[in-house]
Amino acid sequence: DARVTQTPRDKVTEMGQEVTMRCQPILGHNTVFWYRQTMKQGLELLAYFRNRAPLDDSGMPKDRFSAEMPDATLATLKIQPSEPRDSAVYFCASRFGTQNTEAFFGQGTRLTVV
Amino acid sequence: DAKTTQPNSMESNEEEPVHLPCNHSTISGTDYIHWYRQLPSQGPEYVIHGLTSNVNNRMASLAIAEDRKSSTLILHRATLRDAAVYYCILRTFSGNTGKLIFGQGTTLQVKP
Repeated sequence: DARVTQTPRDKVTEMGQEVTMRCQPILGHNTVFWYRQTMKQGLELLAYFRNRAPLDDSGMPKDRFSAEMPDATLATLKIQPSEPRDSAVYFCASRFGTQNTEAFFGQGTRLTVV
Repeated sequence: DAKTTQPNSMESNEEEPVHLPCNHSTISGTDYIHWYRQLPSQGPEYVIHGLTSNVNNRMASLAIAEDRKSSTLILHRATLRDAAVYYCILRTFSGNTGKLIFGQGTTLQVKP
């Protein structure tokens, strides 16, 4: 049963600490998305990659957020330093190809910054 | 990016059909209409998509207006498990990007 796997599922950290969220896309999928969801803003696209290259990260705060794909099986989203306003659920999604294929979402990482 | 407009919430009774509307008056000729839903405490999941013709799959049907400025997601028999937030999204397909931009969606409540 192919699925997008995100770790950790929950993370509580103190303000100022570095946070790393990981995503394992479905094997063979070449497009990876990172989203952030809050009650106030809903689902926001932070960044996305195709064939491991960043295509668009305009939704991501550049000063503290970074997203990478070290290899085809791993995408990471880092926040350094973290702030309370970063508290949200972060979703990763993957898709194959550029046509109208469906995107598969992970279960999300719930981040709480205290 | 072309935008979509959906009602904030809708209610339905179990085992009755549900019609979820979406307006997208600024849709371009190459925009596909996608629907995703998000169950409580889950990531979004794909429901259906279409371009011009009506579409059916095992989850739902998609009815697209002739001028493509609106569409309707049809759940033929709502179950309690269909209670979710439903997102109508235009698949922006310019420059080979294909981003999925989510709006606020429609929260569907299903009453037993």
